[in-house]
Amino acid sequence: EIVMTQSPATLSVSPGERATLSCRATRSVSSNLAWYQQNPGQAPRLLIYGASTRATGVPARFSGSGSGTEFTLTISSLQSEDFAVYYCHQYNDWPRTFGQGTKVEIK
Amino acid sequence: EVQLVESGGGLVQPGGSLRLSCAASGFTFSNYNMNWVRQAPGKGLEWVSSISYTTMYYADSVKGRFTISRDNAKNSLYLQVSSLRAEDTAVYYCARGGAYFDCWGQGTLVTVSS
Repeated sequence: EIVMTQSPATLSVSPGERATLSCRATRSVSSNLAWYQQNPGQAPRLLIYGASTRATGVPARFSGSGSGTEFTLTISSLQSEDFAVYYCHQYNDWPRTFGQGTKVEIK
Repeated sequence: EVQLVESGGGLVQPGGSLRLSCAASGFTFSNYNMNWVRQAPGKGLEWVSSISYTTMYYADSVKGRFTISRDNAKNSLYLQVSSLRAEDTAVYYCARGGAYFDCWGQGTLVTVSS
């Protein structure tokens, strides 16, 4: 099983600042990596797939990068609605696996 | 509008069973692989099972206890959950996609407790 490790567990950021979230895989997942955003009490929402392609309707301030085992989600200028939990997800291999999540909170 | 609506959750005793359903609308259901993902209270996301037209996949934690199925004529996805344990307590989401999951339902809560 591919284990996905996200860091940090919690990121404290001021509105308007940049946030950088990391995700690491125990073996290569190529570019088969997605990022999701989850707000409290809501279902996850797809942000990024293919490591760097924004899903429909996702603002340009969200960007993804990386391949192989190291991935990054960057939010260039945090808006109030961006304070949430973010998960990475590998779909290169079975079983599908998620990272444990990074909570982005208001500093 | 693409929509997924789960139902069938509830309170069940350890060892019990439930059938979860997911009603799909707004897209050609038969063209898509479908999935179940769960989230225990206060915890992260855990992939549970996926189904294509002919193939099913399961997480080791549920293999032999859960069965995924679909009825393309009814635009519906199902998860039969049996031999339930306390650690199966979670919100169960259905999600569309054979790779990444581009659409999610709001989830149905399964609570396993005596």
